[in-house]
Amino acid sequence: TQLLEQSPQFLSIQEGENLTVYCNSSSVFSSLQWYRQEPGEGPVLLVTVVTGGEVKKLKRLTFQFGDARKDSSLHITAAQPGDTGLYLCARSKAAGNKLTFGGGTRVLVKP
Amino acid sequence: GAGVSQSPSNKVTEKGKDVELRCDPISGHTALYWYRQSLGQGLEFLIYFQGNSAPDKSGLPSDRFSAERTGGSVSTLTIQRTQQEDSAVYLCASSPAVGEQYFGPGTRLTVT
Repeated sequence: TQLLEQSPQFLSIQEGENLTVYCNSSSVFSSLQWYRQEPGEGPVLLVTVVTGGEVKKLKRLTFQFGDARKDSSLHITAAQPGDTGLYLCARSKAAGNKLTFGGGTRVLVKP
Repeated sequence: GAGVSQSPSNKVTEKGKDVELRCDPISGHTALYWYRQSLGQGLEFLIYFQGNSAPDKSGLPSDRFSAERTGGSVSTLTIQRTQQEDSAVYLCASSPAVGEQYFGPGTRLTVT
């Protein structure tokens, strides 16, 4: 049973389009992390969201943490082929502790 | 500075054989984690070392799995009597006591 549910599982879009991926849970989390993983590599941390309602921007990526701290979304504007990868959300019980990951959303941006 | 390194990058073994996977964490990182990534189960926690504390082994799927961390640095994950369901990518990560986890590239294990 996944504590974190991600949707959709797979997304294929054309370069220049926008996309949103979601991470949902029935539990409240103190913080949530988003990672991107490319083939043959380990996940790389993109952002950590902590405060309910928080919005963080990283270039063309916008991350939101729900007011109730049970859900989060990642929005990519004007996607590029370099955005292709597996996007994972994760939570930990405390800083420096083990991570629990969602099932991931595989994104393919076609040129 | 070097990141987390893992070896081998790929390992093919026969069912029933033992395998050892190695992780070299980032120098100075006190915490080290092992995760497993498979198609059916996603990315799952296996075991966690923090300094000199007893490791958190709560994610190990069976007693065929064990890990050690020598001298607070290099770690080895051992799988005894491998089964086909052990086929997966095994990822290692390290972090300071409090902070971001940095992942290695993983070891792809195939049990035939």
